Amino acid sequence: AQSVTQPDIHITVSEGASLELRCNYSYGATPYLFWYVQSPGQGLQLLLKYFSGDTLVQGIKGFEAEFKRSQSSFNLRKPSVHWSDAAEYFCAVVWSNNLFFGTGTRLTVIP
Amino acid sequence: GAVVSQHPSRVICKSGTSVKIECRSLDFQATTMFWYRQFPKQSLMLMATSNEGSKATYEQGVEKDKFLINHASLTLSTLTVTSAHPEDSSFYICSASGRGETQYFGPGTRLLVL
Repeated sequence: AQSVTQPDIHITVSEGASLELRCNYSYGATPYLFWYVQSPGQGLQLLLKYFSGDTLVQGIKGFEAEFKRSQSSFNLRKPSVHWSDAAEYFCAVVWSNNLFFGTGTRLTVIP
Repeated sequence: GAVVSQHPSRVICKSGTSVKIECRSLDFQATTMFWYRQFPKQSLMLMATSNEGSKATYEQGVEKDKFLINHASLTLSTLTVTSAHPEDSSFYICSASGRGETQYFGPGTRLLVL
């Protein structure tokens, strides 16, 4: 069955440290891939997306993600985390015109 | 660009009443709108997909007579929770997409049914 997996439920990093959030998917072809961020009690904001082309995509707020076909992964990275980055992050995949979400990774940033 | 609004942002109602939630695309025409439900500390669950001018397509397990969706124009979709019960309390989020694959999300509506 098709699925989107975010292995890490909760990650804690120190402010200024680097960050990588993992996302794996299981689909036959290359789907459209997205990362969304959700602040507490808020809706979702699109960070970045990958449709085709360059496998390293740049997003807003200093985030980037790399699509690796061989690993069926689309990991989100940021070189230096800010306290305001504390939120829930969702990886998502478009498949058959529907958007499927991972279960999310909660990011805590400590001073 | 690509701003989606929802109204109200939060609503409290009595059990048995109906609640309408609006979702608007403010600066683009949304040919497709989606309604999601999010339970505490969980991911989003797609409830239904609606295309402008046609009936919504509901996901398996979602009661279409309870969650009425109307997509009357290219900028407005409404979700009406009919005869709401406490178990309907949740965070409801809409999203809208134009001609591309990207969905833009509204800020969400928190519903509490007493």
